[in-house]
Amino acid sequence: QVTLRESGPALVKPTQTLTLTCTFSGFSLSTSGMCVSWIRQPPGKALEWLALIDWDDDKYYSTSLKTRLTISKDTSKNQVVLTMTNMDPVDTATYYCARRIAGGSLDYWGQGTLVTVSS
Amino acid sequence: AIRMTQSPSSFSASTGDRVTITCRASQGISSYLAWYQQKPGKAPKLLIYAASTLQSGVPSRFSGSGSGTDFTLTISCLQSEDFATYYCQQYYSYSYTFGQGTKLEIK
Repeated sequence: QVTLRESGPALVKPTQTLTLTCTFSGFSLSTSGMCVSWIRQPPGKALEWLALIDWDDDKYYSTSLKTRLTISKDTSKNQVVLTMTNMDPVDTATYYCARRIAGGSLDYWGQGTLVTVSS
Repeated sequence: AIRMTQSPSSFSASTGDRVTITCRASQGISSYLAWYQQKPGKAPKLLIYAASTLQSGVPSRFSGSGSGTDFTLTISCLQSEDFATYYCQQYYSYSYTFGQGTKLEIK
């Protein structure tokens, strides 16, 4: 059974760095073709893709946010970590992690974690 | 980045109706397109990938078609549990992008 769960702070201050952890089970990120992606959704708005890391440790980022994002993995712990620097109130959103299968679509998602940016 | 445009942004329909949602890519993406359903307070759920392949466990009333730049999601006979927001997503190239969503409401 594949599961993913996001964890991290619910509240961060402007200019701070956000660190989110995705802990997953039911698959291994060392398996060829496996990837984990991060997606966010501001309240009442659309989904926005953020970043992806694959089994070979290749990393891909949103064009508009790449200067602020870093994604990494700890295969032994079944975790993927996303950091976002210089947080702003417009970054308030529910942040999801999801598994990407070899075909490219996101087949399993975590329940999401709401991050509010406010002083 | 490739821009994905869905239409309509929202509309109302009745149980039993046949509905079609369209998604247009700003450049050709072959069949690297997925459709997701999202209900309030929940994570998105994968419905269709590779433009027309039904994800396991998804009812057959959902279908997808298209390739290149123009795609459609069709629900053949709306059920009460289908009222939700639907998103398309391209995975032809990084960075991946989603459409703005189509909210399907009960008439």
